[in-house]
Amino acid sequence: RKEVEQDPGPFNVPEGATVAFNCTYSNSASQSFFWYRQDCRKEPKLLMSVYSSGNEDGRFTAQLNRASQYISLLIRDSKLSDSATYLCVVGHNDMRFGAGTRLTVKP
Amino acid sequence: DGGITQSPKYLFRKEGQNVTLSCEQNLNHDAMYWYRQDPGQGLRLIYYSQIVNDFQKGDIAEGYSVSREKKESFPLTVTSAQKNPTAFYLCASSKGSEQYFGPGTRLTVT
Repeated sequence: RKEVEQDPGPFNVPEGATVAFNCTYSNSASQSFFWYRQDCRKEPKLLMSVYSSGNEDGRFTAQLNRASQYISLLIRDSKLSDSATYLCVVGHNDMRFGAGTRLTVKP
Repeated sequence: DGGITQSPKYLFRKEGQNVTLSCEQNLNHDAMYWYRQDPGQGLRLIYYSQIVNDFQKGDIAEGYSVSREKKESFPLTVTSAQKNPTAFYLCASSKGSEQYFGPGTRLTVT
């Protein structure tokens, strides 16, 4: 079993849609959780940290469920510019990356 | 401008040659990392360094070597012992757990 697992997608959604991604992790000792965004052939960029109480940044909401060992990312009112691959990152002293979920937002 | 630079952006080498990828940061971060990414896959950790003159192997260190003589620099050498060196190589530095990436180097070995 992989340490961090994500549905690879692709998720194809129309502009304005709400879309949610989940990510499961195997190490219950994990303390740090992040979502990164990676555009095609570019480096990953930090989108947001994920806190135990859940957190929101504009149209993006991240949640953590420690009991079930998953984190989620919700994107509301999708924009064309949201098209990218979203990487889940989980860790304690060393960070583990999921393979990413690809999102395409269409007009 | 603070950030992480990697050079070159594209690198082509013949099989059997060693090649060194550059990574420099001016963010004053203590920790630095090297990852490789293959198509459709997540990032895999090659080596990391928490402090100058110290580094540890990641999950796929075989065929690679690093040095950390300066806080700002963490070069990666891909040796001829690496069986599948063609990949996208990403360098990162971190403040706490948040990692910030350089633009990457695409290495093609033929």
